Amino acid sequence: GQQVMQIPQYQHVQEGEDFTTYCNSSTTLSNIQWYKQRPGGHPVFLIQLVKSGEVKKQKRLTFQFGEAKKNSSLHITATQTTDVGTYFCAGRPKGGSASKIIFGSGTRLSIRP
Amino acid sequence: GAVVSQHPSRVICKSGTSVKIECRSLDFQATTMFWYRQFPKQSLMLMATSNEGSKATYEQGVEKDKFLINHASLTLSTLTVTSAHPEDSSFYICSGGEGLGNEQFFGPGTRLTVL
Repeated sequence: GQQVMQIPQYQHVQEGEDFTTYCNSSTTLSNIQWYKQRPGGHPVFLIQLVKSGEVKKQKRLTFQFGEAKKNSSLHITATQTTDVGTYFCAGRPKGGSASKIIFGSGTRLSIRP
Repeated sequence: GAVVSQHPSRVICKSGTSVKIECRSLDFQATTMFWYRQFPKQSLMLMATSNEGSKATYEQGVEKDKFLINHASLTLSTLTVTSAHPEDSSFYICSGGEGLGNEQFFGPGTRLTVL
């Protein structure tokens, strides 16, 4: 079946260090979304990427969508304690239901102050 | 962003009882809503797609007779866990969007504990 994998599963960094999580899909995606879930909370939408090779930035966060539209990455520059949480990518398989998205396995980020 | 509410936020029940969870879109209409299940420190597993006015679409491996979904209006979807057992204990989250292909707004989730 269609799968969306993320690596690493966990990342523990010193505050101020950079962080990157990678997302890989077994199938081509129409678009990809990124969500952040704080401990004890629910997922919150961060961004959506649609175009092949697209790069978007939100302050210290940089999101990329691969040329083949099968992978994506989220990079955080100079992490802060407020960045703690689990980051999920969610892909919409190309040719599938327009409304269905498949969540990645998530990367849990923890930070040493 | 749009707001989705869930009720109850937490429920503890005895094995064999049924539990109903409500998911409401407060400021938008959702013809489609999604129900997920999340185990501790794991990803969201899509259980089913709830379609307003029609039957829900269940993912492979999810028992439709155990997890009853009703989407009676454009702002309300319900998930009923029938004859709950301890293995059904989990965090259940619903989501909805304002249109196909758009971002999903998640409810705060319902933590179900079956004793």
